[in-house]
Amino acid sequence: GAGVSQSPSNKVTEKGKDVELRCDPISGHTALYWYRQSLGQGLEFLIYFQGNSAPDKSGLPSDRFSAERTGGSVSTLTIQRTQQEDSAVYLCASSVGPGRGYGYTFGSGTRLTVV
Amino acid sequence: DQQVKQNSPSLSVQEGRISILNCDYTNSMFDYFLWYKKYPAEGPTFLISISSIKDKNEDGRFTVFLNKSAKHLSLHIVPSQPGDSAVYFCAATGSSNTGKLIFGQGTTLQVKP
Repeated sequence: GAGVSQSPSNKVTEKGKDVELRCDPISGHTALYWYRQSLGQGLEFLIYFQGNSAPDKSGLPSDRFSAERTGGSVSTLTIQRTQQEDSAVYLCASSVGPGRGYGYTFGSGTRLTVV
Repeated sequence: DQQVKQNSPSLSVQEGRISILNCDYTNSMFDYFLWYKKYPAEGPTFLISISSIKDKNEDGRFTVFLNKSAKHLSLHIVPSQPGDSAVYFCAATGSSNTGKLIFGQGTTLQVKP
């Protein structure tokens, strides 16, 4: 597609349930990033995939969070046993390579609400 | 540890005047800085960037200034327009960051007609 596509756009889930968030990057983009924005906060780095390299998971806040990227394209961010503090907008971005950020294209995000 | 800080959560200016958004960073290894703009319900979009070898970069109405000794950068918008009303994020990266951007908290700019 022309841009980064994220689904769903909105998700309301009950505390304790698992959720999966999907990201379709721009075709040909080898780098894929997940960020989240909590209310009143900046964009918090979560995880980074670059080609076939091991992902940089240094930003994942707990072991309830995991992500995978299949076939170097689509990525899924999974949050297990969701907590209310997980409520945030989850943003995915892709770029041609591990560039300096100017090549980042962000999706519109998934707004997750844990009730 | 907040490595990139935007200490002003909001800014309001009159149309036609200058908007100045500020950003401070703590990591001396950062060598590339960017500004992103975000409208509600949309992802951030790239606005302008600057390398640490420069102290100024201009693109139309937008100019970014970098003061490395003070670890400070600012974004100037002249003249400001109502369509500039958005959240502005400062971001930084370094050669050791593998392309990962560290973002500030954002500043909400309102340009009044």
